[in-house]
Amino acid sequence: GQNIDQPTEMTATEGAIVQINCTYQTSGFNGLFWYQQHAGEAPTFLSYNVLDGLEEKGRFSSFLSRSKGYSYLLLKELQMKDSASYLCASMDSNYQLIWGAGTKLIIKP
Amino acid sequence: ETGVTQTPRHLVMGMTNKKSLKCEQHLGHNAMYWYKQSAKKPLELMFVYSLEERVENNSVPSRFSPECPNSSHLFLHLHTLQPEDSALYLCASSQDWASPGYEQYFGPGTRLTVT
Repeated sequence: GQNIDQPTEMTATEGAIVQINCTYQTSGFNGLFWYQQHAGEAPTFLSYNVLDGLEEKGRFSSFLSRSKGYSYLLLKELQMKDSASYLCASMDSNYQLIWGAGTKLIIKP
Repeated sequence: ETGVTQTPRHLVMGMTNKKSLKCEQHLGHNAMYWYKQSAKKPLELMFVYSLEERVENNSVPSRFSPECPNSSHLFLHLHTLQPEDSALYLCASSQDWASPGYEQYFGPGTRLTVT
């Protein structure tokens, strides 16, 4: 079956760094997406990885290892506004996104 | 208006009612999606339309009926719903269907409560 695993909840301190892990098992692979969703709002796109390695975008970076079926989202210099759920999704061979349940990130001052 | 809009934002309906959810995208995209989001569960893809034709229907009960009159509008018609259908219904669009790399743009969702 197809499956995405990510932690349910994480807590971090303002100004610190946090890494949110995601492991995936999908039928085929066409890339890994990360989305951010604030409470009561729409998910918004953060990153897309299809090749192994690290992609950096400002304070956010995303890493992919296809051989390990593993990705992480790295958030640096955490701000209170980063408190949100972070959704990991793998695109399978049918171009469908298979979603994780999301990681709720709580930022404390 | 920009992006993806959805109406209504909140809906309370009885099990015997009929209602419709509306989605409109102003991005010139060719693909549109309906998702169901329940608390602490992964997003569930319900329907996909590409260039106004349905391309995916993921075993969704017939009490949910989609309609895509043109590439900018998507509806979800609801009838005889069950309490377990209470959830956030999200509409999304992307440049194309069946192409890797195109991110999906989501609307704010309709919070549906079935009583």
